[in-house]
Amino acid sequence: GQQVMQIPQYQHVQEGEDFTTYCNSSTTLSNIQWYKQRPGGHPVFLIQLVKSGEVKKQKRLTFQFGEAKKNSSLHITATQTTDVGTYFCAGPMNNYGQNFVFGPGTRLSVLP
Amino acid sequence: DGGITQSPKYLFRKEGQNVTLSCEQNLNHDAMYWYRQDPGQGLRLIYYSQIVNDFQKGDIAEGYSVSREKKESFPLTVTSAQKNPTAFYLCASSISQSLSHEQYFGPGTRLTVT
Repeated sequence: GQQVMQIPQYQHVQEGEDFTTYCNSSTTLSNIQWYKQRPGGHPVFLIQLVKSGEVKKQKRLTFQFGEAKKNSSLHITATQTTDVGTYFCAGPMNNYGQNFVFGPGTRLSVLP
Repeated sequence: DGGITQSPKYLFRKEGQNVTLSCEQNLNHDAMYWYRQDPGQGLRLIYYSQIVNDFQKGDIAEGYSVSREKKESFPLTVTSAQKNPTAFYLCASSISQSLSHEQYFGPGTRLTVT
């Protein structure tokens, strides 16, 4: 079945440093979604990417969808303590399925 | 104030007991989902429902059951057949099950079975 992988599993950064998490799929994706889960909280939708090579920005967050639509990345510039949490990517299970499969997530810690 | 509610936030049960987790949404969403999250892990799909009176098994449905008698409600029963029921359970909904729609998550229920 379709698999979604993320690296790294954990990342510790000093406040102000940049952070990137990578999402890779075993199959081509029609789109990809990113979610953020704060410690003790629930996942919150961040963004969806649909087009090959698409780049979207949300303030200090930059999301990119690979040209082959098999990978994606989330980059945070100048991290802040409010960025702490786990970032998940989610891709459609398959071309016929109606559900997303979530990656294992990257847990970000920001040291003040 | 629209959203998804799950209750209770924390739930403790003895092994061998069935337990039902509540999930209610007032977003008028057609699709609803149940996920399980274990410590340090991602989300695994248990069951999903596209419309009232219809639901499908996800990746880890064994030991769980659901119902969808109302559009707003999608309760999950963790049965005694579930081998490792202790986990964080998340309910979600989306406008439809189209792959272009985001999922809205409830606050979750932490179930501990001893």
